[in-house]
Amino acid sequence: NAGVTQTPKFQVLKTGQSMTLQCAQDMNHEYMSWYRQDPGMGLRLIHYSVGAGITDQGEVPNGYNVSRSTTEDFPLRLLSAAPSQTSVYFCASSYSSAGIGSPLHFGNGTRLTVT
Amino acid sequence: GNSVTQMEGPVTLSEEAFLTINCTYTATGYPSLFWYVQYPGEGLQLLLKATKADDKGSNKGFEATYRKETTSFHLEKGSVQVSDSAVYFCALSDSGGYQKVTFGIGTKLQVIP
Repeated sequence: NAGVTQTPKFQVLKTGQSMTLQCAQDMNHEYMSWYRQDPGMGLRLIHYSVGAGITDQGEVPNGYNVSRSTTEDFPLRLLSAAPSQTSVYFCASSYSSAGIGSPLHFGNGTRLTVT
Repeated sequence: GNSVTQMEGPVTLSEEAFLTINCTYTATGYPSLFWYVQYPGEGLQLLLKATKADDKGSNKGFEATYRKETTSFHLEKGSVQVSDSAVYFCALSDSGGYQKVTFGIGTKLQVIP
């Protein structure tokens, strides 16, 4: 019963490098999303997807790209890493619109440091 | 836009003390309300939820009541344990269409023996 799996757990990048944070879920959830968690700011939505082939921007999308080619996977790409992207990143999924009370299921996070 | 307000803390309590973490919100329509808990080194997990006014969510001794008249969803527990030490997030998802969840900043709770 894996749930939401994120890799890697930790990553250190130099400014300007690119990388992809992986997220996979095995619950057949339509909705998937990426959040970043920063001290004093809670969780902020980066990008989200309501199904395969459909993505949209959240609150803080700049510097990140996503794609959703399958229901299970929702990778987050950092195009050119900046120190401001140092954060803890969480992937989350749910059955459908959270507006009808469907809770989010979270992965354990990726701690990213950009030097 | 939507917003959720909660104190950041930390809140430090002795074991068996009564806990209240306040949460107020601003949203249009009729949001669903949630409390999530994050233990050290882990992702968030749902603690409880309420989807309409006057609903009470409860789980593991924690309770919260959806109060539309005061736009609040305060978290309470009668007797906390050391194992309740964690960060607690209040969140909302508003009604109608496909929604994005808005989180509060999280309140760190430390329970000492």
